[in-house]
Amino acid sequence: SAVISQKPSRDICQRGTSLTIQCQVDSQVTMMFWYRQQPGQSLTLIATANQGSEATYESGFVIDKFPISRPNLTFSTLTVSNMSPEDSSIYLCSVVFGQHAFFGPGTRLTVL
Amino acid sequence: LAKTTQPISMDSYEGQEVNITCSHNNIATNDYITWYQQFPSQGPRFIIQGYKTKVTNEVASLFIPADRKSSTLSLPRVSLSDTAVYYCLVGALYTGGFKTIFGAGTRLFVKA
Repeated sequence: SAVISQKPSRDICQRGTSLTIQCQVDSQVTMMFWYRQQPGQSLTLIATANQGSEATYESGFVIDKFPISRPNLTFSTLTVSNMSPEDSSIYLCSVVFGQHAFFGPGTRLTVL
Repeated sequence: LAKTTQPISMDSYEGQEVNITCSHNNIATNDYITWYQQFPSQGPRFIIQGYKTKVTNEVASLFIPADRKSSTLSLPRVSLSDTAVYYCLVGALYTGGFKTIFGAGTRLFVKA
């Protein structure tokens, strides 16, 4: 299993600004995943972050909007750039052990 | 990618057994079936995972028929604290990532 922490737990931001979300895992993992959960909705995968390589983005998500860093095997950041109210969501990081995923507590972002 | 279909919501009373069925007609040979529980303002929490037949752990059972096109999560005796959203996921870990899709989830309301 894995224990995942995220910072910040929540934030309120002004449109046009950027926010960087941190994800820390208590075990070394090759792949980390970033999800978005819009209000009242299910989770949508944003990208897969492998240590030592560029992140792989899902359809509808681009690196300019959601740049990701993966400096080591226990840490990753997701930046939400040039924010608009439509970016108000919960952002979650995740890792996989075996065949199932573990999720962080999420970062609740509100954009005004 | 296998798409999952679940009932949008279910109601139950404390002490009852709850069965939530998920259909996944396009499940692939390598896919596992995993169920998660999510409370408001928290990340999804792993409940149970299976590949075929029946799996049981301390909190739930998972029934998977031979054709694997559906699965049923069984919660034996629910309590008020089981009120949450339950997600059925179908997917597999592979070299490049973890391919899975979150369905819409089932909102379970447990009443006293």
